[in-house]
Amino acid sequence: EPEVTQTPSHQVTQMGQEVILRCVPISNHLYFYWYRQILGQKVEFLVSFYNNEISEKSEIFDDQFSVERPDGSNFTLKIRSTKLEDSAMYFCATPGQGALGANVLTFGAGSRLTVL
Amino acid sequence: GENVEQHPSTLSVQEGDSAVIKCTYSDSASNYFPWYKQELGKGPQLIIDIRSNVGEKKDQRIAVTLNKTAKHFSLHITETQPEDSAVYFCAVSISGYALNFGKGTSLLVTP
Repeated sequence: EPEVTQTPSHQVTQMGQEVILRCVPISNHLYFYWYRQILGQKVEFLVSFYNNEISEKSEIFDDQFSVERPDGSNFTLKIRSTKLEDSAMYFCATPGQGALGANVLTFGAGSRLTVL
Repeated sequence: GENVEQHPSTLSVQEGDSAVIKCTYSDSASNYFPWYKQELGKGPQLIIDIRSNVGEKKDQRIAVTLNKTAKHFSLHITETQPEDSAVYFCAVSISGYALNFGKGTSLLVTP
């Protein structure tokens, strides 16, 4: 049973358009993380979000990106003006009770973004 | 920043053989070392992890060893099965869950 649900599973957009990716945890987590994975490459950390504030972010997470928790349960990643190089899988992750015990980082199935 | 190197990038083994994947890291402050398995079209799934106060950890057919002095850790899969075929990522963390991943190893287990 997944800890998080991500929508959309796949989005195709034109360069310059805004995109919003959504993450919904099953449990009420205070910590959220966004990662991305460009096709065939490693998973890269984007940002961590705790209690409605960004707690840590990487160099990738520039002014084009933003994160919000609009209604207390959903967690969004917004890309204001997409570029071709934003094409990637975007994963939401939360700490959860995995099979290996407490406080393991569990990833959602991801949202594939294709920028044309 | 942290630099995580993972080898090999691809690995092909016969069913029943063992597979070993190795990672090195640069920051001696790193204290959490998970391994993730990623199947096609899915998100990474944690399979085993180890913390800096432990040298080795085993869970059925998989094990992880850590050498903090040398700054490397390894994933060992014994008695491999075709369903073990996937991409495996090592990761390192020194600040909670902001994981720094290796580039991945594509493991193919042939019957």
